[in-house]
This record gives sequence, C-alpha cells and structure tokens, in this order.
Amino acid sequence: AQKITQTQPGMFVQEKEAVTLDCTYDTSDQSYGLFWYKQPSSGEMIFLIYQGSYDEQNATEGRYSLNFQKARKSANLVISASQLGDSAMYFCAMRSRNSGNTPLVFGKGTRLSVIA
Amino acid sequence: DTAVSQTPKYLVTQMGNDKSIKCEQNLGHDTMYWYKQDSKKFLKIMFSYNNKELIINETVPNRFSPKSPDKAHLNLHINSLELGDSAVYFCASSRDIPQETQYFGPGTRLLVL
Repeated sequence: AQKITQTQPGMFVQEKEAVTLDCTYDTSDQSYGLFWYKQPSSGEMIFLIYQGSYDEQNATEGRYSLNFQKARKSANLVISASQLGDSAMYFCAMRSRNSGNTPLVFGKGTRLSVIA
Repeated sequence: DTAVSQTPKYLVTQMGNDKSIKCEQNLGHDTMYWYKQDSKKFLKIMFSYNNKELIINETVPNRFSPKSPDKAHLNLHINSLELGDSAVYFCASSRDIPQETQYFGPGTRLLVL
C-alpha cells in the first residue's frame, strides 16, 4: 500500500521569501510518480509539478521545484519568491507506475498562507 | 474549452434522497476517476474506470453507483443520501501514461441536510 505524509498542517511565509512544504512517502513499488497539487480557496485542483522515481534530476517548473531524496523517501516542494496568490492548500500525491491507470494517493495537505 | 466538467457545481438535498453528479471529459482520455474530499480536505479515490470498465472500487458503500456510458463520461449516482455523504466530489481523467497528471474537474459540493 502507498502512503503520503504531510506533517505541516499550516505554514506561513513572508511575501517574496522561499518556503518548503514537506512530503514523505511509503511504497513497495520500484517505479512510481510523485505529484504536487495546489487547491486555492475557489476549490479547483491545479497540477504543479511531477517527479518520477527514476528521474535523476529534481523537477522544476517556474517558481516550483521538487527536492527529491529517494533514499529518505521525501519529495518536498520548494516555492521560491512567494506571492500572495500562492496562499492555498497544497497536496502531495503519488501513484504507482506499474500501470497507466492507477489512482492518486494523497497526503492530508498543507495550508500555506503568504503574508504581505 | 473546459477539459473536465462536472454538473452540478453545488448540490443541497435532504437525507434519504437520490442524486446524480455528471462528469464529462473532452481530452480523449481512457481512464476516469471519482475522488471524495471530506470536510478535513482529505482526498480519497472512490472509483476508476478504464474504457467504460470498472477497475477500482475502493470499498465505497453500494449506495454509490458509478456509470460510464462511454469513455468520455463517468456519472455518479448516490441513493439514500446520508449526512456523512456531504463532501466535495471530484471527477478526474488521465491517459494511460503513469507519469502524466490527472486532470480534475471543478468539483461538486454536496451538502446533505
């Protein structure tokens, strides 16, 4: 079984500062993918970034980067130069890559608040 | 163009009623999913369908019955609604490529009174 743990229920960050949202995972699969999603107060789920278990480089997408440490089973999201619009719930998720249609397993989320 | 759409967006109903939520995707994806987000924001898979075939049913009460008339649609029918069914229900779809994201609909906020 797969499990995602996000230990920070809430985080505050000053505008323009960087922030790291923690995510650890547990799986017996050798091949898997890790995802981060943002859910603003409007409720939609917005895909941010993906990291494959065999990817050698950490994923980056604009101001988002994923600090992937496979041996520690962690996949932390780093947001650089925080903006007020980054205030939202952030979910770490994973899925097995053994099949193309496995569902996502989500963590409980971290609520990020960006302060002006 | 909306990639994954759900109707209705809001649903308020009485206990014991039967209701349906519709989902459509225009992305040509083979797999569709229903997730439930509870009041604590926890998201959990309920069902997934691949080319109209049920492939995952995560111990959801049989009051919940998904139906996929074609691979672009996955509807969710709920019988005898209970207070605990109040949640946000998300439909999602994906190609059969594990490294690709799933695309989520806007969610349906169900409130059972």
